[in-house]
Amino acid sequence: EAGVAQSPRYKIIEKRQSVAFWCNPISGHATLYWYQQILGQGPKLLIQFQNNGVVDDSQLPKDRFSAERLKGVDSTLKIQPAKLEDSAVYLCASSRAGGQADTQYFGPGTRLTVL
Amino acid sequence: AQSVTQPDIHITVSEGASLELRCNYSYGATPYLFWYVQSPGQGLQLLLKYFSGDTLVQGIKGFEAEFKRSQSSFNLRKPSVHWSDAAEYFCAVGGGGFGNEKLTFGTGTRLTIIP
Repeated sequence: EAGVAQSPRYKIIEKRQSVAFWCNPISGHATLYWYQQILGQGPKLLIQFQNNGVVDDSQLPKDRFSAERLKGVDSTLKIQPAKLEDSAVYLCASSRAGGQADTQYFGPGTRLTVL
Repeated sequence: AQSVTQPDIHITVSEGASLELRCNYSYGATPYLFWYVQSPGQGLQLLLKYFSGDTLVQGIKGFEAEFKRSQSSFNLRKPSVHWSDAAEYFCAVGGGGFGNEKLTFGTGTRLTIIP
C-alpha cells in the first residue's frame, strides 16, 4: 500500500510570511497526526484528528498555527505568520483507527526554514 | 506527565559488533513503549512496540527490546549491526486512554557504524 505522502519536501520562507503543508494519509486510516521535529529533538505532537474531528490540539500554537482535515482524508497545516523558531521538520503520520495498539505510519516530512 | 530519556546522544559501533541503545521512561501506569528509526531525509519507521505480555519484544531488522518495569527502561538491542543500521533512533512512550494516544518521544540517539 502507498505510504503517507507529504508536500512540499522543502520550504524556505522569510519570517512573518505564511506557509502551508499538505498531507495525504494511508488510504482507510481514520487518524491523522501532525508533529513538529526541531533539529536535535524528538517529534512533538501538534494536532491529532480522528476522521475530520480534532482529538488533541493542546500543543498547537493556535495564534499562528492552524490545521484542517476536510472530508476526513487529506490535511493541511498552516503557519501564519511564521517565526524563526518555527524552523523544523513537520511530520505527518496516520494510523488505522487511532487505538493505542495502532501503529503510526510517518511520511517523509517537510523541512521548513524560516529566515 | 509522561517523558522519555535517551541518555546517549551519539553512539559509534563497529560493523558486526553488538548494540544497545538506552531508553528510560516516566509514566504513571503501564506504558506503551515504542522504538522508531529515522534515516536521513526519511520519516520514522516503527521497529517494535510493547503493550503487555512478554517483556522481550522482537522487531524488524533483527532488533529486540526488553521492558524492565523495575528500572523504567526499554533498551533496544541488536547482536550484530550492519552498515545500513546507521540512523537516528527514537524511543517513545504512549498512553492517555483510547482516543488520546499521544506519543512522547525522546531526543534520539544517532548511531554511526564504522567499518
